[in-house]
Amino acid sequence: KAGVTQTPRYLIKTRGQQVTLSCSPISGHRSVSWYQQTPGQGLQFLFEYFSETQRNKGNFPGRFSGRQFSNSRSEMNVSTLELGDSALYLCASSLGGLLYNEQFFGPGTRLTVL
Amino acid sequence: QKEVEQDPGPLSVPEGAIVSLNCTYSNSAFQYFMWYRQYSRKGPELLMYTYSSGNKEDGRFTAQVDKSSKYISLFIRDSQPSDSATYLCAMGGPNTGNQFYFGTGTSLTVIP
Repeated sequence: KAGVTQTPRYLIKTRGQQVTLSCSPISGHRSVSWYQQTPGQGLQFLFEYFSETQRNKGNFPGRFSGRQFSNSRSEMNVSTLELGDSALYLCASSLGGLLYNEQFFGPGTRLTVL
Repeated sequence: QKEVEQDPGPLSVPEGAIVSLNCTYSNSAFQYFMWYRQYSRKGPELLMYTYSSGNKEDGRFTAQVDKSSKYISLFIRDSQPSDSATYLCAMGGPNTGNQFYFGTGTSLTVIP
């Protein structure tokens, strides 16, 4: 079956702009989580959506937001981009709760902020 | 102090060597421990999943958890060039915000 897909794969933006990233989970998966990956900090949890509701949230500023649609597809938005937002953004889907169900990661969106 | 500490490497070993990868952590509430493998330009994929202390073996891979020392390890036997990747440890628990905390990853190269 098809894996997790993320679009776009690469993105270049300038400071102050906003960006929207998209994630399509594996069919049947209702949980979608978003992570930021940087060399210095590693993978950091942004938030998790389940059945269109944000269920868990990491320690990121309010500029980072997300939503999930009825078909479980999810989008992540970053407003007022800063240079430090340059990172690989990964989305992962799972059947249910993060602790008890395997997460399947997409290939990520590489965001560069100039 | 970060929740999870992992030596970034890089680690370079000859084919056939035994590889040892390690992470330490500070939160004693962690109960679930995982190892992920991430190839270049790919997302992480789950390698091993263990609950609480002990060992778990799967083929050439063995995961060890020592909760008393807050230390986890991944051993790779008979390493192959295809094992060249970044290895990430991750951990969490029901009382740690229902999320996983990841290490920064160790880059491994297995030389043929």
